[in-house]
Amino acid sequence: DTEVTQTPKHLVMGMTNKKSLKCEQHMGHRAMYWYKQKAKKPPELMFVYSYEKLSINESVPSRFSPECPNSSLLNLHLHALQPEDSALYLCASSQSFGGVVTQYFGPGTRLLVL
Amino acid sequence: DQQVKQNSPSLSVQEGRISILNCDYTNSMFDYFLWYKKYPAEGPTFLISISSIKDKNEDGRFTVFLNKSAKHLSLHIVPSQPGDSAVYFCAASAGWYGGSQGNLIFGKGTKLSVKP
Repeated sequence: DTEVTQTPKHLVMGMTNKKSLKCEQHMGHRAMYWYKQKAKKPPELMFVYSYEKLSINESVPSRFSPECPNSSLLNLHLHALQPEDSALYLCASSQSFGGVVTQYFGPGTRLLVL
Repeated sequence: DQQVKQNSPSLSVQEGRISILNCDYTNSMFDYFLWYKKYPAEGPTFLISISSIKDKNEDGRFTVFLNKSAKHLSLHIVPSQPGDSAVYFCAASAGWYGGSQGNLIFGKGTKLSVKP
C-alpha cells in the first residue's frame, strides 16, 4: 500500500480566511513533504518534515504554516492568502529523508483564493 | 538554471507502438532518478526508478534506461495504450550528496497522447 490521502479535495477561500489542508499516510514513512504545483509546471517543494521536525523550508511566505502533529499526519495552515497562491497543493511521503528514497504523492488539494 | 530537462513538451504515439520519453540532467551528483505519471488535477503517481549504479530497470511495460556519461535517461513504454495518455515527469535527487539530500528536482514534463 502506497497511499497518501489528502483532504479536502477542493477548497475555495477568501483572502481573510483561515483554513487548513490535511495529509495522512500509514506506510510508516518518516519524511513528509508539501509541494505546490501551478498549471503546466512541475511540483515545487515548500516544506520537508523528517521525524516530525521541520528540515527544509524553501523560503515559503509565513502565510503558509506547516505542522506535523505525529508521524502519520501533516497539516498546512493557510492564512491571509493571495490570489496567486491558487494552485494544486500536494503532499508526499517517503521512508526517510535523504538517501535513495521514493516519494509517494497524494491526490492533492485544489485551492482557489478569491 | 534547469537541472532536469524534458525538452519535448508533447509526444503523440499510436496505440501498440513504443513511446520514448527523454530526460537530460546537468548535476553530476544526481544518483537516483524517477518517473512519475500525472493526470490533470491529480497527484503524480510513481512509475519506475533507477539508481545510478544501474543502466536499465524494467517493470512490465515500462523500462528506464540511464546513460550516465551522457547525463541522459529515457522511459520506454511498450506497447503504448490509450490509458497511458498523461503528463510524465522525470525527477532526480542527489541522495546523500550535496544540499538537496533527497529533495526531488523535477523536469517540466512531457504530455503523452496515445491514439487508438
